[in-house]
Formats: sequence, structure tokens, C-alpha cells
Amino acid sequence: EVQLVESGGGLVQPGRSLRLSCAASGFTFDDYAMHWVRQAPGKGLEWVSGISWNSGSIGYADSVKGRFTISRDNAKNSLYLQMNSLRAEDTALYYCAKGYQWELRGPFEFWGQGTLVTVSS
Amino acid sequence: QSVLTQPPSASGTPGQRVTISCSGSSSNIGSNTVNWYQQLPGTAPKLLIYSNNQRPSGVPDRFSGSKSGTSASLAISGLQSEDEADFYCAAWDDSLNGQVFGGGTKLTVL
Repeated sequence: EVQLVESGGGLVQPGRSLRLSCAASGFTFDDYAMHWVRQAPGKGLEWVSGISWNSGSIGYADSVKGRFTISRDNAKNSLYLQMNSLRAEDTALYYCAKGYQWELRGPFEFWGQGTLVTVSS
Repeated sequence: QSVLTQPPSASGTPGQRVTISCSGSSSNIGSNTVNWYQQLPGTAPKLLIYSNNQRPSGVPDRFSGSKSGTSASLAISGLQSEDEADFYCAAWDDSLNGQVFGGGTKLTVL
């Protein structure tokens, strides 16, 4: 059974940093691209970032480019999102999502339950 | 303002057929496949349709997708009360070099 468990969310002040983690199990992690997708309270879905199976291809939404860094550790079956210079508009539920295949273009086949990030003073 | 455009709401009565549209451009829907996600209240999204018209295992055949040019649509036939959810379309965008979503459509079963 595929499982994605996000952690690391919480309340953080504007300008500070936070690191999210996603622990994956139930599939061959290093065969698939992985993504972060967020959803602000009461709003729609927004793709944040994605990383290919071997970290050779990485993409970011313009809204987070230069502030967020995605990475993965295939030996630990884990995905990460380092979030710096956080802003109020980054407040959202952050989902970890498994890609359908090895590259970034494919659909998000499976989603975790999310971890909540609140940016506020 | 979402890159892909969906109607904010849709509705139907049990047993009816409902369609939800998704409009994009040549850099996204026009040159890449479309995927649809269903988000039931209080839950994580779930992949409903991929590659324009393919259903993952376990998705009832009441759900179908299609694409033409720079637009796509999701059809739900034999509407059931448990279909009440938010639906999102998504596609890769070659200009933005990233995935883009529609703003979502809230489906109400009357």
C-alpha cells in the first residue's frame, strides 16, 4: 500500500525558514518523480515544486522560485522542501504527491494527507 | 488567477449527467495531456482521470474525460450524492516549465 506521510509543518514568523519532509513507502521510491502541491485555506490547488527520479530535473512555481528548494534522498525514501524567506501568502496545507512516472510532466498519482504551514507574526 | 479556467460551480440531480470544462492555451492543454483530480470534503485530492481520458484502477466508468484543442472536459454520468466534491483539472505548461491547475469546480448534487 502506497503511503506518503508529511511532517515539519507549523507556525513560523514571516522571513523565517521551515523544512518539510515526506516519508514514502509501499512503492519503489527511486522510480518516480515526486512533487509538493499546496492549498491555501479555502482555496484551490497550486503546484509548488517537483523533482525527477534521480534529481536530474527540478521545477518550481514562480511564486516560490529562489526561496524554496526541493530535494530527495532515495536511500531514505524521503522527499524534502526547504522553505526560506517565508511570507504570509505561503500559508497553506502542503501535500506530498507521487508522480505517475519518472519525469515531472506526469499526473500526481497518489497524495499524502498534508502538513499545515502557517506564516504569521 | 489560475492558468487553466474552470467554472467555479456545477450542479445536478441524482442520475443526471454533468460536465465540467477546463480551458487553457497552446502551451499547456494544447500540447500536453490533461489530468483531473477529485477532492472530497476534508480529504486529500485523488487522481480521477489521467492522460485526457484514462481512468486509474478503481475509478468508476461513470467518470470520463476528453480533450479537444486547448480545452478539456470531465463528464460524470449517473450522478450520485457521494460525487459531491471539488474537481480540478491540471496539465504541464511548456512556457512556465511546471504543472498548472484550474481554479477548481465545486460540484453540488441537489
